[in-house]
Amino acid sequence: GQQVMQIPQYQHVQEGEDFTTYCNSSTTLSNIQWYKQRPGGHPVFLIQLVKSGEVKKQKRLTFQFGEAKKNSSLHITATQTTDVGTYFCAGSGGSNYKLTFGKGTLLTVNP
Amino acid sequence: DTAVSQTPKYLVTQMGNDKSIKCEQNLGHDTMYWYKQDSKKFLKIMFSYNNKELIINETVPNRFSPKSPDKAHLNLHINSLELGDSAVYFCASSQVSGGTPWGEQFFGPGTRLTVL
Repeated sequence: GQQVMQIPQYQHVQEGEDFTTYCNSSTTLSNIQWYKQRPGGHPVFLIQLVKSGEVKKQKRLTFQFGEAKKNSSLHITATQTTDVGTYFCAGSGGSNYKLTFGKGTLLTVNP
Repeated sequence: DTAVSQTPKYLVTQMGNDKSIKCEQNLGHDTMYWYKQDSKKFLKIMFSYNNKELIINETVPNRFSPKSPDKAHLNLHINSLELGDSAVYFCASSQVSGGTPWGEQFFGPGTRLTVL
């Protein structure tokens, strides 16, 4: 079945440093979504990418979808303590209603 | 107004008991989901209903039985609870329309189930 791998599992940075998490799928994806889960909270939708090579920005966050639609990345510039949480990618490879989540990257930021 | 709500927020129970978790969404979405998040934070879909019809049923023990009385509600009943069922269970909803088979998932606050 479809697998979505996400690395790194953990990342600890100093405030102001950049952060990147990567997702790779075993199959071509129709699209990919990114979610953020604060400690003790629930996943919150950040963005959806659908086009090959697509790049989207949200303030300090940059999301990319690979040309082959099998990988994606989330990059945060100049991290802040409010960025703390687990970032998940989730992709679907077909016309079903199922999203496969990556295992997430836990980001901690040292002030 | 809470978009996706779940009750209860916490559930502590003994092994072998039967329990239910309720979910309601007021977003007018046509698809609802149950996810299980284990202690390592891995999110895995369990079930999905589209317009009250079961469309996704992952390899979940048949002790777990979802029920969708209407588009706005999706409940989860668990029989004969086991220690390994301890996890956070999230309900979610989305609107499946347009060019993609699914949309943004709106998650509920979660139900933390502890089986003793």
